[in-house]
Amino acid sequence: EIVLTQSPGTLSLSPGERATLSCRASQSVSSSYLAWYQQKPGQAPRLLIYGASSRATGIPDRFSGSGSGTDFTLTISRLEPEDFAVYYCQQYGSSRFTFGPGTKVDIK
Amino acid sequence: EVQLVESGGDLVQPGRSLRLSCAASGFTFDDYAMYWVRQGPGKGLEWVSGISWNSGNKAYADSVKGRFTISRDNAKNSLYLQMNSLRAEDTALYYCAKTGTSGRELDYWGQGTLVTVSS
Repeated sequence: EIVLTQSPGTLSLSPGERATLSCRASQSVSSSYLAWYQQKPGQAPRLLIYGASSRATGIPDRFSGSGSGTDFTLTISRLEPEDFAVYYCQQYGSSRFTFGPGTKVDIK
Repeated sequence: EVQLVESGGDLVQPGRSLRLSCAASGFTFDDYAMYWVRQGPGKGLEWVSGISWNSGNKAYADSVKGRFTISRDNAKNSLYLQMNSLRAEDTALYYCAKTGTSGRELDYWGQGTLVTVSS
């Protein structure tokens, strides 16, 4: 079973700053099978990135994904006030999903 | 517009059963695999179960295997989760989610239905 680890646990930044979130897998993951989600308090998760680097419909281009193998990154180029939230990475395999523990991006 | 609306969540005693439903609209339901994902209070996301478009393939997390059963009715555009032998650790907000085009991500989620297991 693949385990996903996300770092840091919490990222404290100011609006306008760049956010770099890491997701590491316990074994190699196909890039096609790696996704990122954003979740705000009281809301359902929202798909941001799929296939490691493809933005989902309606996602602003300040969000970008990269990586391969066991190391993947979500970058938010310039934080907007609405971007402060929890971010989860997810991998898919054998008809099941695995989520990372999440990174909280909060206002410094 | 894609909509997923869960229902059936409730406060139940340990050992009892509950059936969750998810009503889907705005897309061709029988074209997509569907999933249940839960989130315990203050916790992260946990995949629970999934079902292929034609119910031919079902999968369960180890934590619910043998206790939960997923099903769907394509004629009614509905997804279900039968939960038996409920435990305190099953307490969570249960989301219904639709796979994206590639089948490897969840592109639409409902707002969730709350299941609380407590005596």
